[in-house]
Amino acid sequence: GIQVEQSPPDLILQEGANSTLRCNFSDSVNNLQWFHQNPWGQLINLFYIPSGTKQNGRLSATTVATERYSLLYISSSQTTDSGVYFCAGAYYGNNRLAFGKGNQVVVIP
Amino acid sequence: DTEVTQTPKHLVMGMTNKKSLKCEQHMGHRAMYWYKQKAKKPPELMFVYSYEKLSINESVPSRFSPECPNSSLLNLHLHALQPEDSALYLCASSQGNGELFFGEGSRLTVL
Repeated sequence: GIQVEQSPPDLILQEGANSTLRCNFSDSVNNLQWFHQNPWGQLINLFYIPSGTKQNGRLSATTVATERYSLLYISSSQTTDSGVYFCAGAYYGNNRLAFGKGNQVVVIP
Repeated sequence: DTEVTQTPKHLVMGMTNKKSLKCEQHMGHRAMYWYKQKAKKPPELMFVYSYEKLSINESVPSRFSPECPNSSLLNLHLHALQPEDSALYLCASSQGNGELFFGEGSRLTVL
């Protein structure tokens, strides 16, 4: 199956700082998502981004499908950005979404 | 607010109990999923229902029994669980392109 590698595994940020999270895939995917899991366990859908660039407020994501990686940018980080960020991917039509191990992000005031 | 609703949010059960987790979505999605997540790990797929039929069972022990009564509802029946089954159980649904939407989860503790 597809292997997903996320980096860095852990990140501590000062409030207001910017950061970039990276996700590498072992094979091509055409379903790619970024999630944020808050401290209460809820997995929030951030982006569905099999290719291209999308922005949502202070967050943006870019996927370079031909090179099998995706980036998540957090700008002007806030304490509410703390949590675990997961990327996940699959072939189109395959319901087995492969998850990375996550990026643990802590934003300190 | 999530459009996938899970109940209960928390459940404590003994190893001889029978309980059920419930999930509901009203987004018209035709695929529904159960995932299990242990602390500091990514979610692990358990079951997938597509058009109300079980399409994937990831070799889950029979003490977990899924049920899909209709296209909006998904249940997970629990019986004779072990303490190591304590985890966060996540329900999700997806549309045609496979984009997953998760519920808030049910945190299960088995004593």
